[in-house]
Amino acid sequence: SAVISQKPSRDICQRGTSLTIQCQVDSQVTMMFWYRQQPGQSLTLIATANQGSEATYESGFVIDKFPISRPNLTFSTLTVSNMSPEDSSIYLCSVERASSYEQYFGPGTRLTVT
Amino acid sequence: SQQGEEDPQALSIQEGENATMNCSYKTSINNLQWYRQNSGRGLVHLILIRSNEREKHSGRLRVTLDTSKKSSSLLITASRAADTASYFCATSPSVGFQKLVFGTGTRLLVSP
Repeated sequence: SAVISQKPSRDICQRGTSLTIQCQVDSQVTMMFWYRQQPGQSLTLIATANQGSEATYESGFVIDKFPISRPNLTFSTLTVSNMSPEDSSIYLCSVERASSYEQYFGPGTRLTVT
Repeated sequence: SQQGEEDPQALSIQEGENATMNCSYKTSINNLQWYRQNSGRGLVHLILIRSNEREKHSGRLRVTLDTSKKSSSLLITASRAADTASYFCATSPSVGFQKLVFGTGTRLLVSP
């Protein structure tokens, strides 16, 4: 499986500010995925990030709110912009292991917005 | 919503007993994956079963898949207190198959 790290592991932020979450993978991957898990809920896909192209967002998520960068094949960032308490969630990145369809997840970033 | 459903929502058993969790989904799939999550931490990948497979084993885990009923089950045999966690199924659709659609999850509590 891939080794995936995320920074920060947790943060407490003020309403109206922005936070950038980093995801680093120990091997090159074509696609990286960003998910949100609201308190007590399941995971929902935010967007898919390919290197060298704009991210593809799922219904209900927009680039202005969740801009994503994918500068190379091992790294991606997700920014949560103009935060409100409703953005309090765990944000997770994932990658697919080559030729297996198995997706592996990072440890997540627990965000609390006050 | 395309999200799958899992039942039960919560399950409480004693160590040594078996735990069975069920997952139902709505669309055609390429594969189905099961994950474990401890106390809101990251997800641990347990097992993947492809749409052309009916049963798969990994250690104390047994997964079945019935594509005609759009359902899957996860059986944990001889459960341990360390199995206490939330378990999620996630389906990969036939089209755009690299996305995962997660079920609602089952909270398993294994008491010593």
